[in-house]
Amino acid sequence: AQSVTQLDSQVPVFEEAPVELRCNYSSSVSVYLFWYVQYPNQGLQLLLKYLSGSTLVKGINGFEAEFNKSQTSFHLRKPSVHISDTAEYFCAVTDNQGGKLIFGQGTELSVKP
Amino acid sequence: DSGVTQTPKHLITATGQRVTLRCSPRSGDLSVYWYQQSLDQGLQFLIQYYNGEERAKGNILERFSAQQFPDLHSELNLSSLELGDSALYFCASSAGTPGNTIYFGEGSWLTVV
Repeated sequence: AQSVTQLDSQVPVFEEAPVELRCNYSSSVSVYLFWYVQYPNQGLQLLLKYLSGSTLVKGINGFEAEFNKSQTSFHLRKPSVHISDTAEYFCAVTDNQGGKLIFGQGTELSVKP
Repeated sequence: DSGVTQTPKHLITATGQRVTLRCSPRSGDLSVYWYQQSLDQGLQFLIQYYNGEERAKGNILERFSAQQFPDLHSELNLSSLELGDSALYFCASSAGTPGNTIYFGEGSWLTVV
């Protein structure tokens, strides 16, 4: 079975500062990895995903993530955040069988002016 | 707009009652997923259907049931409701192949009083 651990429940950061949201996964099989964002009172929106190939994945809104198989990590980064990036971010994993997503507990990113 | 439509957006009901949440997937998507989001449990996978057939089951209570109809819309039935069932219920859809992007609706807020 797969599982996901998001290492930080809350990350406060000032506007224009860099940010890293950490995610570790556990799986006995090959996985696909995802980051989703949830703005207040909205559904989840895909930021980026890793299926195979290059371990550095670029997504929307200037976010990127790096897949590290040896450390079973998939950390999300942005070099300079904006107030509008304030949201809940979810890391998720799925296997190459059924396709359902297993989510981490989420990281609340709070960007302050 | 993800293309996934959920109704109703908000629902308040009493303990012991039964409700039905409805979901229309994105055009062309064969797979539908149901998730429950609550403060204490996070995002929990409930069940997945693919082209009318159940494909995967998560921590779905026996009081809950779902189905996917020939036109691919899905319904989640929640019965004998308890206070702890109060949550945001998401429907999501995808083409159904592992690795495909899963698109989420805006959710149905259920409050049990």
